[in-house]
Amino acid sequence: GAVVSQHPSRVICKSGTSVKIECRSLDFQATTMFWYRQFPKQSLMLMATSNEGSKATYEQGVEKDKFLINHASLTLSTLTVTSAHPEDSSFYICSARDLQTSGTDTQYFGPGTRLTVL
Amino acid sequence: GENVEQHPSTLSVQEGDSAVIKCTYSDSASNYFPWYKQELGKRPQLIIDIRSNVGEKKDQRIAVTLNKTAKHFSLHITETQPEDSAVYFCAARSSGNTPLVFGKGTRLSVIA
Repeated sequence: GAVVSQHPSRVICKSGTSVKIECRSLDFQATTMFWYRQFPKQSLMLMATSNEGSKATYEQGVEKDKFLINHASLTLSTLTVTSAHPEDSSFYICSARDLQTSGTDTQYFGPGTRLTVL
Repeated sequence: GENVEQHPSTLSVQEGDSAVIKCTYSDSASNYFPWYKQELGKRPQLIIDIRSNVGEKKDQRIAVTLNKTAKHFSLHITETQPEDSAVYFCAARSSGNTPLVFGKGTRLSVIA
């Protein structure tokens, strides 16, 4: 299946700093990528839908000024957690659909980024 | 919007027995229902999916059934093995470029 990569896999930062997470579709183009957050022993919660060349669509309760999303190309979306605080510590996972190659709308996930804010 | 309920939250079975996980959805426009398996600290992996024009789909020891009238779908794992132990998530999505909505997950433990 299609491959989605994510970088970094782990990050530890001090409170108040900003952290950028990259999500790449390695062998296909993704006009749309999705960003999820997963707290320990909980489900995946959709944060936002990232659209190439346009503004992201945020879910209710997700602060767009805190979680900046940029989808500058068909293979790269970035999530920046600005002024991170301990409550932002979580597992962030991106996802993309390969519509062209597979001919289906199967959604593939990146390996995730574990963010720990001290 | 879509709301997906998943039961049970935890499930323990003896090796070789069957496991069944059930999900219900709220949006009648949903037409795509995948199941993901997630091991600790790893990404969710698609194990099987079903679309609304099909009532049942099987892949070796895994099968999924869909009842559109009742708006529920189920995952069936037969002849369970210890490596089946993981968290399983169901999801639903309507047509178009809409994102998946996930259930809360089921932690399956297969006891050898």
